[in-house]
Amino acid sequence: DAKTTQPPSMDCAEGRAANLPCNHSTISGNEYVYWYRQIHSQGPQYIIHGLKNNETNEMASLIITEDRKSSTLILPHATLRDTAVYYCIPTTNNAGNMLTFGGGTRLMVKP
Amino acid sequence: SQTIHQWPATLVQPVGSPLSLECTVEGTSNPNLYWYRQAAGRGLQLLFYSVGIGQISSEVPQNLSASRPQDRQFILSSKKLLLSDSGFYLCAWSRIGTGNQPQHFGDGTRLSIL
Repeated sequence: DAKTTQPPSMDCAEGRAANLPCNHSTISGNEYVYWYRQIHSQGPQYIIHGLKNNETNEMASLIITEDRKSSTLILPHATLRDTAVYYCIPTTNNAGNMLTFGGGTRLMVKP
Repeated sequence: SQTIHQWPATLVQPVGSPLSLECTVEGTSNPNLYWYRQAAGRGLQLLFYSVGIGQISSEVPQNLSASRPQDRQFILSSKKLLLSDSGFYLCAWSRIGTGNQPQHFGDGTRLSIL
Protein backbone atom coordinates (compact mmCIF):
# COMPACT_ATOMS: atom_id res chain seq x y z
CA ASP A 1 0.00 0.00 0.00
CA ALA A 2 1.09 3.56 -0.68
CA LYS A 3 2.58 5.68 2.08
CA THR A 4 0.56 8.73 3.12
CA THR A 5 1.35 12.08 4.70
CA GLN A 6 -1.31 14.00 6.61
CA PRO A 7 -1.00 16.98 8.95
CA PRO A 8 -1.16 15.71 12.53
CA SER A 9 -3.82 18.18 13.59
CA MET A 10 -6.18 20.86 12.30
CA ASP A 11 -8.76 23.19 13.80
CA CYS A 12 -11.99 24.27 12.16
CA ALA A 13 -14.75 26.63 13.27
CA GLU A 14 -18.19 25.12 13.59
CA GLY A 15 -20.26 25.69 10.44
CA ARG A 16 -17.23 26.31 8.25
CA ALA A 17 -15.79 23.92 5.69
CA ALA A 18 -13.03 21.61 6.85
CA ASN A 19 -10.45 20.78 4.19
CA LEU A 20 -8.21 17.85 5.10
CA PRO A 21 -5.24 17.21 2.79
CA CYS A 22 -3.41 13.96 2.13
CA ASN A 23 -0.31 13.24 0.10
CA HIS A 24 -0.03 9.76 -1.43
CA SER A 25 2.61 10.22 -4.09
CA THR A 26 3.43 6.48 -4.32
CA ILE A 27 -0.16 5.39 -4.97
CA SER A 28 -0.40 2.64 -7.57
CA GLY A 29 -2.79 2.59 -10.50
CA ASN A 30 -5.23 0.12 -8.99
CA GLU A 31 -5.43 1.72 -5.55
CA TYR A 32 -8.43 3.76 -4.54
CA VAL A 33 -8.20 6.57 -2.00
CA TYR A 34 -10.36 5.79 1.03
CA TRP A 35 -11.17 8.12 3.89
CA TYR A 36 -12.21 6.92 7.32
CA ARG A 37 -12.57 8.69 10.64
CA GLN A 38 -12.38 7.45 14.19
CA ILE A 39 -14.07 9.16 17.07
CA HIS A 40 -12.49 8.35 20.39
CA SER A 41 -13.35 4.86 21.67
CA GLN A 42 -15.41 3.98 18.60
CA GLY A 43 -14.73 1.88 15.52
CA PRO A 44 -13.54 3.59 12.33
CA GLN A 45 -16.32 5.05 10.20
CA TYR A 46 -16.17 4.89 6.41
CA ILE A 47 -16.60 8.32 4.80
CA ILE A 48 -15.93 8.19 1.07
CA HIS A 49 -13.61 6.74 -1.56
CA GLY A 50 -12.55 7.45 -5.12
CA LEU A 51 -10.19 6.37 -7.85
CA LYS A 52 -9.52 9.44 -9.99
CA ASN A 53 -12.76 11.39 -10.27
CA ASN A 54 -14.03 13.71 -7.58
CA GLU A 55 -16.73 12.15 -5.44
CA THR A 56 -19.49 13.50 -3.22
CA ASN A 57 -21.87 11.82 -0.80
CA GLU A 58 -24.04 12.90 2.11
CA MET A 59 -21.05 13.15 4.41
CA ALA A 60 -18.28 14.73 2.40
CA SER A 61 -16.61 15.53 -0.92
CA LEU A 62 -13.36 14.04 -2.14
CA ILE A 63 -11.11 15.94 -4.51
CA ILE A 64 -8.32 13.92 -6.14
CA THR A 65 -5.60 15.67 -8.13
CA GLU A 66 -5.20 14.71 -11.76
CA ASP A 67 -1.87 12.97 -11.08
CA ARG A 68 -3.52 11.16 -8.10
CA LYS A 69 -0.61 12.04 -5.84
CA SER A 70 -2.77 13.92 -3.38
CA SER A 71 -6.36 14.35 -2.32
CA THR A 72 -8.50 16.57 -0.10
CA LEU A 73 -11.46 15.56 2.00
CA ILE A 74 -13.99 18.35 2.41
CA LEU A 75 -16.58 18.46 5.16
CA PRO A 76 -18.76 21.32 3.87
CA HIS A 77 -20.28 22.46 7.18
CA ALA A 78 -18.33 21.04 10.08
CA THR A 79 -20.16 20.34 13.33
CA LEU A 80 -18.83 19.54 16.80
CA ARG A 81 -19.63 15.88 16.13
CA ASP A 82 -17.12 15.89 13.28
CA THR A 83 -14.28 16.13 15.81
CA ALA A 84 -12.29 12.95 15.15
CA VAL A 85 -9.10 11.53 13.68
CA TYR A 86 -9.34 11.35 9.89
CA TYR A 87 -7.41 8.75 7.94
CA CYS A 88 -6.53 8.74 4.26
CA ILE A 89 -5.89 5.18 3.04
CA PRO A 90 -4.86 4.18 -0.49
CA THR A 91 -5.86 0.56 -0.97
CA THR A 92 -7.28 -1.96 -3.39
CA ASN A 93 -9.57 -3.05 -0.51
CA ASN A 94 -10.06 -6.55 -1.82
CA ALA A 95 -10.99 -9.36 0.57
CA GLY A 96 -8.07 -10.06 2.84
CA ASN A 97 -6.45 -6.73 2.16
CA MET A 98 -5.80 -5.02 5.45
CA LEU A 99 -6.68 -1.37 5.84
CA THR A 100 -3.53 0.38 7.03
CA PHE A 101 -4.33 3.30 9.29
CA GLY A 102 -1.42 5.74 9.60
CA GLY A 103 -1.23 8.68 11.98
CA GLY A 104 -4.18 10.54 10.47
CA THR A 105 -5.26 14.13 11.12
CA ARG A 106 -6.86 15.04 14.41
CA LEU A 107 -9.61 17.51 13.47
CA MET A 108 -10.90 19.68 16.26
CA VAL A 109 -14.13 21.52 15.44
CA LYS A 110 -14.54 24.50 17.74
CA PRO A 111 -17.70 26.48 18.54
CA SER B 1 -29.74 -0.57 5.74
CA GLN B 2 -26.91 -2.69 7.04
CA THR B 3 -25.82 -2.79 10.66
CA ILE B 4 -23.02 -4.54 12.49
CA HIS B 5 -23.17 -5.52 16.15
CA GLN B 6 -20.31 -6.46 18.46
CA TRP B 7 -20.51 -7.52 22.04
CA PRO B 8 -19.55 -7.08 24.72
CA ALA B 9 -18.38 -3.47 24.54
CA THR B 10 -15.85 -3.95 27.32
CA LEU B 11 -14.40 -7.07 28.89
CA VAL B 12 -11.92 -7.72 31.68
CA GLN B 13 -10.48 -11.22 31.77
CA PRO B 14 -7.73 -12.93 33.80
CA VAL B 15 -4.66 -14.36 32.11
CA GLY B 16 -5.27 -17.95 31.05
CA SER B 17 -9.04 -17.62 30.77
CA PRO B 18 -10.97 -18.36 27.55
CA LEU B 19 -12.41 -15.72 25.24
CA SER B 20 -15.38 -15.48 22.91
CA LEU B 21 -16.27 -12.28 21.09
CA GLU B 22 -19.23 -12.22 18.77
CA CYS B 23 -20.02 -10.12 15.72
CA THR B 24 -23.18 -10.19 13.65
CA VAL B 25 -24.19 -8.29 10.52
CA GLU B 26 -27.74 -7.49 9.50
CA GLY B 27 -29.22 -6.31 6.23
CA THR B 28 -26.86 -8.01 3.79
CA SER B 29 -26.04 -11.52 2.59
CA ASN B 30 -22.74 -13.32 2.19
CA PRO B 31 -20.54 -10.46 3.39
CA ASN B 32 -16.77 -10.54 3.76
CA LEU B 33 -16.04 -10.44 7.50
CA TYR B 34 -12.93 -9.24 9.30
CA TRP B 35 -11.43 -9.18 12.80
CA TYR B 36 -8.91 -6.44 13.59
CA ARG B 37 -7.02 -5.56 16.76
CA GLN B 38 -5.89 -2.06 17.69
CA ALA B 39 -3.28 -1.91 20.43
CA ALA B 40 -3.09 1.27 22.49
CA GLY B 41 -1.62 4.12 20.44
CA ARG B 42 -1.12 1.93 17.39
CA GLY B 43 -2.83 1.20 14.09
CA LEU B 44 -5.19 -1.60 13.17
CA GLN B 45 -3.84 -5.09 12.64
CA LEU B 46 -5.87 -7.56 10.56
CA LEU B 47 -6.24 -10.82 12.45
CA PHE B 48 -8.69 -12.88 10.37
CA TYR B 49 -10.96 -12.52 7.41
CA SER B 50 -13.67 -14.72 5.93
CA VAL B 51 -15.26 -14.78 2.50
CA GLY B 52 -17.90 -17.40 3.39
CA ILE B 53 -19.27 -19.81 5.97
CA GLY B 54 -16.51 -21.98 7.38
CA GLN B 55 -13.82 -20.13 5.37
CA ILE B 56 -11.28 -18.43 7.61
CA SER B 57 -7.95 -16.89 6.63
CA SER B 58 -5.46 -16.01 9.35
CA GLU B 59 -3.13 -13.08 8.86
CA VAL B 60 -1.08 -13.25 12.05
CA PRO B 61 -0.06 -16.39 13.96
CA GLN B 62 -1.26 -16.17 17.53
CA ASN B 63 -3.29 -17.93 20.17
CA LEU B 64 -6.54 -16.56 18.78
CA SER B 65 -8.90 -18.33 16.40
CA ALA B 66 -11.96 -17.32 14.41
CA SER B 67 -15.04 -19.14 13.24
CA ARG B 68 -17.98 -18.34 10.98
CA PRO B 69 -20.78 -20.73 11.88
CA GLN B 70 -23.43 -18.74 10.03
CA ASP B 71 -23.41 -16.41 7.04
CA ARG B 72 -23.54 -13.21 9.08
CA GLN B 73 -21.88 -14.34 12.32
CA PHE B 74 -18.17 -14.08 13.06
CA ILE B 75 -16.66 -15.25 16.34
CA LEU B 76 -13.20 -14.56 17.78
CA SER B 77 -11.99 -17.05 20.37
CA SER B 78 -9.09 -18.04 22.54
CA LYS B 79 -8.58 -21.02 24.80
CA LYS B 80 -6.07 -19.23 27.06
CA LEU B 81 -5.62 -15.46 27.04
CA LEU B 82 -2.21 -13.82 27.32
CA LEU B 83 -1.41 -10.36 28.66
CA SER B 84 -0.46 -9.36 25.11
CA ASP B 85 -4.02 -10.05 23.94
CA SER B 86 -5.20 -6.81 25.53
CA GLY B 87 -6.50 -4.32 23.00
CA PHE B 88 -9.43 -2.95 21.07
CA TYR B 89 -11.01 -5.64 18.88
CA LEU B 90 -12.96 -4.54 15.86
CA CYS B 91 -15.18 -6.52 13.53
CA ALA B 92 -15.84 -5.25 10.03
CA TRP B 93 -17.81 -6.30 6.98
CA SER B 94 -17.75 -5.54 3.28
CA ARG B 95 -19.86 -6.55 0.32
CA ILE B 96 -18.66 -9.28 -1.96
CA GLY B 97 -18.51 -8.07 -5.51
CA THR B 98 -16.48 -6.63 -8.28
CA GLY B 99 -14.57 -3.48 -7.69
CA ASN B 100 -13.78 -1.80 -4.46
CA GLN B 101 -16.06 -2.25 -1.51
CA PRO B 102 -15.52 -0.29 1.70
CA GLN B 103 -15.18 -2.04 5.02
CA HIS B 104 -17.68 -1.02 7.69
CA PHE B 105 -16.69 -1.38 11.33
CA GLY B 106 -18.53 -2.18 14.51
CA ASP B 107 -18.05 -0.22 17.71
CA GLY B 108 -15.47 -2.68 19.01
CA THR B 109 -14.74 -4.58 22.21
CA ARG B 110 -12.17 -3.18 24.59
CA LEU B 111 -10.43 -6.20 26.17
CA SER B 112 -8.25 -5.86 29.24
CA ILE B 113 -6.26 -8.84 30.50
CA LEU B 114 -5.27 -8.85 34.17
